[in-house]
Amino acid sequence: DSGVTQTPKHLITATGQRVTLRCSPRSGDLSVYWYQQSLDQGLQFLIQYYNGEERAKGNILERFSAQQFPDLHSELNLSSLELGDSALYFCASSVAMADAAFFGQGTRLTVV
Amino acid sequence: GEDVEQSLFLSVREGDSSVINCTYTDSSSTYLYWYKQEPGAGLQLLTYIFSNMDMKQDQRLTVLLNKKDKHLSLRIADTQTGDSAIYFCAERVGNTDKLIFGTGTRLQVFP
Repeated sequence: DSGVTQTPKHLITATGQRVTLRCSPRSGDLSVYWYQQSLDQGLQFLIQYYNGEERAKGNILERFSAQQFPDLHSELNLSSLELGDSALYFCASSVAMADAAFFGQGTRLTVV
Repeated sequence: GEDVEQSLFLSVREGDSSVINCTYTDSSSTYLYWYKQEPGAGLQLLTYIFSNMDMKQDQRLTVLLNKKDKHLSLRIADTQTGDSAIYFCAERVGNTDKLIFGTGTRLQVFP
């Protein structure tokens, strides 16, 4: 158990809908990362927050957004969902920005 | 550029050593990592090495880094069936915090 908690574990939704994925980092970790894992794209970095502020952005679509709250948990919002958004979404956390990142179990999103 | 490559598949006999290779392109990489992903599970951090090191050993795991050739390898001694999984190498690039992952190597251990 990495100490990073993601909910829900599985999500099935229809095209055009909006979902929110939640991540609780390890106790004491200030940095949260979101990654998308799909068969065709592999593991892609989406976005990173550090202590509530956006730190780095990767291949994140405009339909997607994220935030980190004062209690350091983070949410990834995916809207206007398309079939191609079906993937495993991972959250990871680290103590500080340059430390090793520990990953959650992921949320499997299926868009039908 | 940012590109990390791995061979897709490796099959070894139980008890043998496994060597999983990875090449990266960004010379400003600071840390390099190995993660393990079992079916239906998340990514488990196995080990990491700082870019100014050549080797790191941790129990059955040995990481070798050839910075000149931008080549990273993970050796698993006495490979067990429980080691069957997908192994990802990843690099932390320069002053950024994002990890660039390789395609993953599926290790299959047979008796």
